[in-house]
Amino acid sequence: GAGVSQSPSNKVTEKGKDVELRCDPISGHTALYWYRQSLGQGLEFLIYFQGNSAPDKSGLPSDRFSAERTGGSVSTLTIQRTQQEDSAVYLCASTRNQGATDTQYFGPGTRLTVL
Amino acid sequence: GENVEQHPSTLSVQEGDSAVIKCTYSDSASNYFPWYKQELGKRPQLIIDIRSNVGEKKDQRIAVTLNKTAKHFSLHITETQPEDSAVYFCAASKGAAGNKLTFGGGTRVLVKP
Repeated sequence: GAGVSQSPSNKVTEKGKDVELRCDPISGHTALYWYRQSLGQGLEFLIYFQGNSAPDKSGLPSDRFSAERTGGSVSTLTIQRTQQEDSAVYLCASTRNQGATDTQYFGPGTRLTVL
Repeated sequence: GENVEQHPSTLSVQEGDSAVIKCTYSDSASNYFPWYKQELGKRPQLIIDIRSNVGEKKDQRIAVTLNKTAKHFSLHITETQPEDSAVYFCAASKGAAGNKLTFGGGTRVLVKP
């Protein structure tokens, strides 16, 4: 079946602008995660959604970052007033979450460049 | 919170040799340890994982070992092939706490033909 998809694949923006990144999880997956991968670095957890529960926002680096998940499916990560240090690949992952340690399947990522 | 350290950061091996990547974690409550392979410009792909109730798991040329007492786990790739060249990430999570993964910094593996 279809995997996790993300759009856009690349986004170039000017410093100070707002951006929205979209994630479509695998159908039926109830848990959704956002991670950030800076150049040559590991992945950094940002936020986690599970069903109708309140999201775990503990990884968001500042209040300029927010995310929502509508209808338990598609998620949008919004970065307001972008800064150059926000440049990174933003990865989304989803799991069935029928067990405590379900495999996370990653999307292809959105490469964000802030000029 | 959890902290995962991964070594080495780069690893160059001759085709056919073995490669070993080591990770340590700080939170004794972590109970799930996946390994991801990321080829250049591609998404991370799960290659193997291990849960805290076992000490070793093997899948063809890939094996992972876990030492809960020492809080470290390792990835072993035998008979390396050029297509094994990629960046490998270890990760840890506490499962029931939402399964958010804490990743190591990655190991860039180059298999020389």
